[in-house]
Amino acid sequence: AQTVTQSQPEMSVQEAETVTLSCTYDTSESDYYLFWYKQPPSRQMILVIRQEAYKQQNATENRFSVNFQKAAKSFSLKISDSQLGDAAMYFCAYRSALLYGNKLVFGAGTILRVKS
Amino acid sequence: GAVVSQHPSRVICKSGTSVKIECRSLDFQATTMFWYRQFPKQSLMLMATSNEGSKATYEQGVEKDKFLINHASLTLSTLTVTSAHPEDSSFYICSARGTGPRTPQHFGDGTRLSIL
Repeated sequence: AQTVTQSQPEMSVQEAETVTLSCTYDTSESDYYLFWYKQPPSRQMILVIRQEAYKQQNATENRFSVNFQKAAKSFSLKISDSQLGDAAMYFCAYRSALLYGNKLVFGAGTILRVKS
Repeated sequence: GAVVSQHPSRVICKSGTSVKIECRSLDFQATTMFWYRQFPKQSLMLMATSNEGSKATYEQGVEKDKFLINHASLTLSTLTVTSAHPEDSSFYICSARGTGPRTPQHFGDGTRLSIL
């Protein structure tokens, strides 16, 4: 079974600075998706960024980018120019691309605090 | 973008009451729906996966008779917490996906259930 590990329970960053959240995963599959979700205090789940395993290029979405290392099974999220609104819990997630109806496997989450 | 509507957003009721939570996909056909439970500052725990017209598949440790899931149409799934007790108090989130292994998964805004 696949597992996702987020080793940082909490992280802090100064406003306008850059922070990197770590994520590693374990799988024997070659075709899959990786995601970062943001959950602010409202508890709404917001998709931040998505990476397809067959794509070597790292995904980027404005201030958010990932460092996808397939061989190392690592998928870190970099947030540049951090803003107060970035404060939230961040979840890394894995999903197989091989099976229909397959489920998301979530990491334990990282609480990000942004200091003004 | 695709929207998943979840109602109610907040429920407070007495012990022994049965509570129904609805999850609707508003602009796409949700072939598969997922129900999660989340405790404060913890990750999402998958309770069950349901495919339209089929019985739900429950994760290990989830009581089928306690958490009844119905997915009778391509736009509606319901979770009924039967004879709820204080230990059932939690945040419940639904999620829905359309047809195909590469379709995205969309989340509802969650339901905060409090059993007195």
